[in-house]
Amino acid sequence: GENVEQHPSTLSVQEGDSAVIKCTYSDSASNYFPWYKQELGKRPQLIIDIRSNVGEKKDQRIAVTLNKTAKHFSLHITETQPEDSAVYFCAAVFTGGGNKLTFGTGTQLKVEL
Amino acid sequence: GAVVSQHPSWVICKSGTSVKIECRSLDFQATTMFWYRQFPKQSLMLMATSNEGSKATYEQGVEKDKFLINHASLTLSTLTVTSAHPEDSSFYICSARRAPATDTQYFGPGTRLTVL
Repeated sequence: GENVEQHPSTLSVQEGDSAVIKCTYSDSASNYFPWYKQELGKRPQLIIDIRSNVGEKKDQRIAVTLNKTAKHFSLHITETQPEDSAVYFCAAVFTGGGNKLTFGTGTQLKVEL
Repeated sequence: GAVVSQHPSWVICKSGTSVKIECRSLDFQATTMFWYRQFPKQSLMLMATSNEGSKATYEQGVEKDKFLINHASLTLSTLTVTSAHPEDSSFYICSARRAPATDTQYFGPGTRLTVL
């Protein structure tokens, strides 16, 4: 089955700085990679996603890059704000195999004033 | 659109009792719903995949006789934790996928289960 590793587990940045979270997946058949933001006690919220036929996608301050050869994908948040503080999860899924999400272990992002 | 609700949002029960959690897609039909469990400071772990009108598919290590899943309609799936024990205390989250099938899963707000 799929295995997703995520680093770092915690990340502290100053407000206005950039934050980068990296994930590695094991199953070369995975073709859809969503990123979720989860605040304490709340549901995961989809913030951006990328499909395997695209190398990069950007939405305002958030961008995701995908390297299919290396099986790496990364989340980039620029101009971080205190409200970006949360736990971020990457995930990988093979949409032709039941669409089961395999989540990474999560990154606790803290944006300090 | 794409709203998923869960009920109850939290529940406290005594050890040995059963608890039912409902997951509803409010504004779309969901052929597939997923049930996850999340322990404190950990990731979401898929428990089972629930398809409307058929038996659920459980992940390895998840006891199907303990975690009963029913997906009776295109908008409702239920998870029943039978004979709950303190180690079952967790945050249970469902997600739903639109019909026809697409990639995106929409998550419910979660149910906090505490077993005393």
